Amino acid sequence: EAGVAQSPRYKIIEKRQSVAFWCNPISGHATLYWYQQILGQGPKLLIQFQNNGVVDDSQLPKDRFSAERLKGVDSTLKIQPAKLEDSAVYLCASSLDAGSYEQYFGPGTRLTVT
Amino acid sequence: GQQLNQSPQSMFIQEGEDVSMNCTSSSIFNTWLWYKQDPGEGPVLLIALYKAGELTSNGRLTAQFGITRKDSFLNISASIPSDVGIYFCAGQGPGGTSYGKLTFGQGTILTVHP
Repeated sequence: EAGVAQSPRYKIIEKRQSVAFWCNPISGHATLYWYQQILGQGPKLLIQFQNNGVVDDSQLPKDRFSAERLKGVDSTLKIQPAKLEDSAVYLCASSLDAGSYEQYFGPGTRLTVT
Repeated sequence: GQQLNQSPQSMFIQEGEDVSMNCTSSSIFNTWLWYKQDPGEGPVLLIALYKAGELTSNGRLTAQFGITRKDSFLNISASIPSDVGIYFCAGQGPGGTSYGKLTFGQGTILTVHP
């Protein structure tokens, strides 16, 4: 069974530029999560989707971050404009459904904002 | 919000030694999970615990869900070099928090000397 796929793996941008990350969850998984992991810390949830609907985006900085999961499968996370403090690893995870707490993570995208 | 405190922050051990780490919270959790993260990769699920007092093993790993529901422990027996990595605990809270939302600890960095 293929795992969670993410791209790109690395991205370097200047502050105030825009960036987008892509995630393809495990086939059949209805719930998709985006996490931000700052160096030396555990992952922090940004947004949770159930199929193509948002369940929780309470910790998403909505003035600059946006995410969508239009067809209930793939998802994109966008930052516009980026700030220096956005430098982090962005992890995508999926689970069978919201009632399954066993989340499976992709390899992440390491973003560096200069 | 909910916070998890992991200890120790880092450990340096000899191959063959046993390892113990724990995670505590001021809040009650319904589910505890333990993940391992290798450099440049996403966290990988090791063990999931669903009931207070539950003791679960996965090979050389054993984890326990504390009776108070506010803590969890992970033990690794007879450590080997490939056990090197960062170990995260994660908890899922009771009603009032998003269904499926996990809160992560800050991680325990494990180094194993051959």
